[in-house]
Amino acid sequence: KQEVTQIPAALSVPEGENLVLNCSFTDSAIYNLQWFRQDPGKGLTSLLLIQSSQREQTSGRLNASLDKSSGRSTLYIAASQPGDSATYLCAVRPSGGATNKLIFGTGTLLAVQP
Amino acid sequence: DVKVTQSSRYLVKRTGEKVFLECVQDMDHENMFWYRQDPGLGLRLIYFSYDVKMKEKGDIPEGYSVSREKKERFSLILESASTNQTSMYLCASSPGQGGKNIQYFGAGTRLSVL
Repeated sequence: KQEVTQIPAALSVPEGENLVLNCSFTDSAIYNLQWFRQDPGKGLTSLLLIQSSQREQTSGRLNASLDKSSGRSTLYIAASQPGDSATYLCAVRPSGGATNKLIFGTGTLLAVQP
Repeated sequence: DVKVTQSSRYLVKRTGEKVFLECVQDMDHENMFWYRQDPGLGLRLIYFSYDVKMKEKGDIPEGYSVSREKKERFSLILESASTNQTSMYLCASSPGQGGKNIQYFGAGTRLSVL
């Protein structure tokens, strides 16, 4: 059974720092991996999606990498800002299925201090 | 922009009541999903639908049912609400099997069962 783990559960950094969030999954048979952002009391916003054949994706100050064989992904945030404060979730889509079912990690709560 | 709308942000219901949570998407997506989100457990899939009148059980379907009479609308039904169904409920939609299959989320409904 696929399990997704995110470490650390919470992280506090000063503004301007570069940081890395980690995601690991137990079964490398995935179709893709997504990173989401969730603000308090709100829904999820998709940040980046990496297909299983890709190594990384970039969007602005965000860079996500994928090492499928080792079951790991990282989300790198450059020059962090207070507006980056949120919960970050990763989710994998298992391969072989007929639907777009996602399996989520429990998230990393990020606080960027001004 | 994709829009996924959940009819209520907050709901308070009594034990034993029948509860309807409504979700509408405006992008003609084939797939729709209902999740619940609880602290420490992350997002867990309740039910999903890949076509009108089609539904599949997710990981935690017990105590819930769904209805998809029209492509744009996916309803979650709690036949007899219980206190352990107090949670944040999130609806999502995604396009068919091709493409990136990014899931787009609504803002969520926070349900309290007293």
